[in-house]
Amino acid sequence: AQKVTQAQTEISVVEKEDVTLDCVYETRDTTYYLFWYKQPPSGELVFLIRRNSFDEQNEISGRYSWNFQKSTSSFNFTITASQVVDSAVYFCALSVRSGGYQKVTFGTGTKLQVIP
Amino acid sequence: EAGVAQSPRYKIIEKRQSVAFWCNPISGHATLYWYQQILGQGPKLLIQFQNNGVVDDSQLPKDRFSAERLKGVDSTLKIQPAKLEDSAVYLCATGQGGGQNIQYFGAGTRLSVL
Repeated sequence: AQKVTQAQTEISVVEKEDVTLDCVYETRDTTYYLFWYKQPPSGELVFLIRRNSFDEQNEISGRYSWNFQKSTSSFNFTITASQVVDSAVYFCALSVRSGGYQKVTFGTGTKLQVIP
Repeated sequence: EAGVAQSPRYKIIEKRQSVAFWCNPISGHATLYWYQQILGQGPKLLIQFQNNGVVDDSQLPKDRFSAERLKGVDSTLKIQPAKLEDSAVYLCATGQGGGQNIQYFGAGTRLSVL
């Protein structure tokens, strides 16, 4: 069975601080995909990044960066110089192939509040 | 490109009543998902369609919930009869399918059961 753990329920930071959101996953599959989604107060989840299990390269996109480490089964997300617009709930998700289709499991989310 | 459309945005009903939600996917997306998101929790998959066939409905309470996907395009999710614990946001997501499996979400329908 697949599992995604986001141990941080809520995080508050002051604007311009850096913040890291943790994600730990469990799967016995060797091929899988990891995702991060952002859910702003408006409610619509927005895709941020996808990483497959064979690509452990870290990725940077503007103020966002992701650190994927298979050795610790973690896929952490860092926001540099946080802004108020970053306030949202962030979800980590795991996708594995099951019975001919992709089965997705979401974590419980981390609520980030950026204080001006 | 138009996004995933859901309606209604909000719905208030009394317990034991029926309710239906509608989802129109992004054109060409083969995979469609319905999620239930209770306040403060992550999305919980209710049902997943590949084209117009069901591939996963293991977490759908089939005694009261039903869903269909018409001609592999639009989808409806129905609850009959509703219970208080069904109060949640119902999210529809679609994707092109395959390994990439990026999901594109609608704005959701917030259901309150009184």
